[in-house]
Amino acid sequence: NAGVTQTPKFRILKIGQSMTLQCTQDMNHNYMYWYRQDPGMGLKLIYYSVGAGITDKGEVPNGYNVSRSTTEDFPLRLELAAPSQTSVYFCASSHPTGGFYGYTFGSGTRLTVV
Amino acid sequence: AQTVTQSQPEMSVQEAETVTLSCTYDTSESNYYLFWYKQPPSRQMILVIRQEAYKQQNATENRFSVNFQKAAKSFSLKISDSQLGDTAMYFCAFMKPNAGNNRKLIWGLGTSLAVNP
Repeated sequence: NAGVTQTPKFRILKIGQSMTLQCTQDMNHNYMYWYRQDPGMGLKLIYYSVGAGITDKGEVPNGYNVSRSTTEDFPLRLELAAPSQTSVYFCASSHPTGGFYGYTFGSGTRLTVV
Repeated sequence: AQTVTQSQPEMSVQEAETVTLSCTYDTSESNYYLFWYKQPPSRQMILVIRQEAYKQQNATENRFSVNFQKAAKSFSLKISDSQLGDTAMYFCAFMKPNAGNNRKLIWGLGTSLAVNP
């Protein structure tokens, strides 16, 4: 049982480039989330999904896109990378039987835009 | 809207001593969940402890326990017998229980805890 797997762990992008951060979970969790964490700060919600085919914006969605074609996968797309997107990105999922169990997190992706 | 406040940006404690991290929240809900997450230097987010609001008994997980004061909207974390491996950022978080809220966690800004040898 791998839990939530994020790839890559590190990436350097040039301004204007695009990339996709991958997130896969094998726990049959319906709810999935993407967060960003800036240095010394808390977590800000970018996008979330309550099931395959359903996505919605969080607090800071500008510059990002998501898709949810399967229960397992929830990729985050960065279009036209900007230095303001330098951050650590976390994918998380929520247990299907209830929110009491909180979230399971991936190990994060450290992204630098130069 | 719900908010979570952690008033101590940084704290330090000597190894083997006890430390308490503060968390207050604001909500009009009567039932909800509260969490403490730990983020060590490895960046991994680890669930430390959780509490259901309708349960008056304070949650305990080994050396970690909470002091849940529902009327005061306070949810502090006590770490007993602090160990060097407890050095981490600690985040307090709130969740409304119903699925209609999409189970979004509301996060505090965190408390950086350093355990000194």
